[in-house]
Amino acid sequence: DQQVKQNSPSLSVQEGRISILNCDYTNSMFDYFLWYKKYPAEGPTFLISISSIKDKNEDGRFTVFLNKSAKHLSLHIVPSQPGDSAVYFCAASATSGNTGKLIFGQGTTLQVKP
Amino acid sequence: EAGVAQSPRYKIIEKRQSVAFWCNPISGHATLYWYQQILGQGPKLLIQFQNNGVVDDSQLPKDRFSAERLKGVDSTLKIQPAKLEDSAVYLCASSSTGGEQFFGPGTRLTVL
Repeated sequence: DQQVKQNSPSLSVQEGRISILNCDYTNSMFDYFLWYKKYPAEGPTFLISISSIKDKNEDGRFTVFLNKSAKHLSLHIVPSQPGDSAVYFCAASATSGNTGKLIFGQGTTLQVKP
Repeated sequence: EAGVAQSPRYKIIEKRQSVAFWCNPISGHATLYWYQQILGQGPKLLIQFQNNGVVDDSQLPKDRFSAERLKGVDSTLKIQPAKLEDSAVYLCASSSTGGEQFFGPGTRLTVL
């Protein structure tokens, strides 16, 4: 039962262009969503998050959009840089009960070409 | 601030052998998580501790996996006996109560 899905295993974009990574979820109890970035041989690092009371959150070049009715979120990176090349994981949490348990998607490998 | 420390970084064992992984969380973080990440998949929570008590171990294969967090600081995850399908990266994360999870570099386990 894959509650969080990232249907694109990989994405390749040119430096300076926009990268859009997508994530879908099925559990309507999820109300907090996060994006993590992972380089090879390192653990995931937190990138940006959004609560279900918002539909957009920005942090520098990174923006996360949430469409609750579609149970869909996306991460936009503008402009993309070669250093952004990594695996990006979408994660979701149901804060009611607040154990902090995260459900991760399968990840999308982003390659930004110079 | 020192990050989450894990050891060893890599381990290769034969099936049916035992293995243990160690995690030292960020100082002061009450919550500690162990995740299993199989190649091509996202991390999956195995067990979550709050101080030295277990909050969630619903996805832990208890017939072969065990974990402890003595004194609410360091934690050890053990697999006994290992199976081929246990080959994965084992990630430890910690957080202050309700806060962001910080991950360690992981231990890559290969079971032959």
